[in-house]
Amino acid sequence: DGGITQSPKYLFRKEGQNVTLSCEQNLNHDAMYWYRQDPGQGLRLIYYSQIVNDFQKGDIAEGYSVSREKKESFPLTVTSAQKNPTAFYLCASKPGPLTEQFFGPGTRLTVL
Amino acid sequence: ILNVEQSPQSLHVQEGDSTNFTCSFPSSNFYALHWYRWETAKSPEALFVMTLNGDEKKKGRISATLNTKEGYSYLYIKGSQPEDSATYLCAWLYNNNDMRFGAGTRLTVKP
Repeated sequence: DGGITQSPKYLFRKEGQNVTLSCEQNLNHDAMYWYRQDPGQGLRLIYYSQIVNDFQKGDIAEGYSVSREKKESFPLTVTSAQKNPTAFYLCASKPGPLTEQFFGPGTRLTVL
Repeated sequence: ILNVEQSPQSLHVQEGDSTNFTCSFPSSNFYALHWYRWETAKSPEALFVMTLNGDEKKKGRISATLNTKEGYSYLYIKGSQPEDSATYLCAWLYNNNDMRFGAGTRLTVKP
């Protein structure tokens, strides 16, 4: 089945540790996105990538890093510099301009 | 500030009721307006992608309208069913790449 997978579903991290969230898609989409959701707020864009080996900062990129070495994969690293990392993280992809986005199931990160 | 506002924040209706909610966005730099449905424990799924002023789209009992000049879109659900219970997100695309999401309207349909 085609789709987007994110792992793990739940993640716990000690303060001061970096952690990497996985996002994989087999939809052959060029563009991929990472969003963060906090209670009562809309999805906020962290980073996006339009093509392999290229990515752009979104509205809240500070404390995060990404890579796009393969079309299928767009991992997000939450670094220790991110002040408030506890949140729900969603990955998405889309096939082209003005098209809908396809979302993964999300990862809930809790920093202890 | 490029804010997208959705109202109401939450809504409880009885099965069979029709309902509607609003998405407001800046009327400048409009490329597209997306509506997504997000059921609990699932991924958001696209309902509509709307690009033209005056657009009306329909999928079953759900329909949406778009007014880009005044910066709003309405989502209508006719004869709500319990399976319509979800959070409905709108997102304003203001250039080729950048999209701003609203906080969503959480709909609960009671049997």
